[in-house]
Amino acid sequence: QQQVKQSPQSLIVQKGGIPIINCAYENTAFDYFPWYQQFPGKGPALLIAIRPDVSEKKEGRFTISFNKSAKQFSLHIMDSQPGDSATYFCAASIAGGGNKLTFGTGTQLKVEL
Amino acid sequence: DGGITQSPKYLFRKEGQNVTLSCEQNLNHDAMYWYRQDPGQGLRLIYYSQIVNDFQKGDIAEGYSVSREKKESFPLTVTSAQKNPTAFYLCASKAGTGVYEQFFGPGTRLTVL
Repeated sequence: QQQVKQSPQSLIVQKGGIPIINCAYENTAFDYFPWYQQFPGKGPALLIAIRPDVSEKKEGRFTISFNKSAKQFSLHIMDSQPGDSATYFCAASIAGGGNKLTFGTGTQLKVEL
Repeated sequence: DGGITQSPKYLFRKEGQNVTLSCEQNLNHDAMYWYRQDPGQGLRLIYYSQIVNDFQKGDIAEGYSVSREKKESFPLTVTSAQKNPTAFYLCASKAGTGVYEQFFGPGTRLTVL
């Protein structure tokens, strides 16, 4: 049973564009929603995360939008660069449940010149 | 440098052999996690440990075993009972209660021939 659904599977944008990656979750007990960036052959790196008490969080060029009623959250990358080409994973966890992360299936992003 | 180390980076084993993957952290984190990554499936939790000498099964624990004798170390053994052991294995750690962020190591790619 997949509890976090991520889309699209892959995405190509032009340099300077704003790719948007979406995730939907089912378990309303989730209370922490991180995004990870992964380059080929490397471990995932934490990009940005949000708690359900806020609807938006920005860190540099990365923004999370969170819609608690729709049980959806998304990642926006402003002014995307070729160096942003990577696989992005959304995830969710419950603080009281050992903070076990449930991951989406990933989005391969390519930013073209 | 503080961080999480995993060794080896690449590991090859014959079918039917047990193999142990190393994970060490010098971040003084209380919790440690093992995830498995397969193409197109995101990351899935194998085992996690919140304190020394205690650990819990994740979603796909069958065919794996762990130990947590020291705070900084959380080795994973892939046994011959694991039917599809070829995968990318990732270790993560997290500071204590009330902290949500999990940080990942560089991973070990296991290939069973």
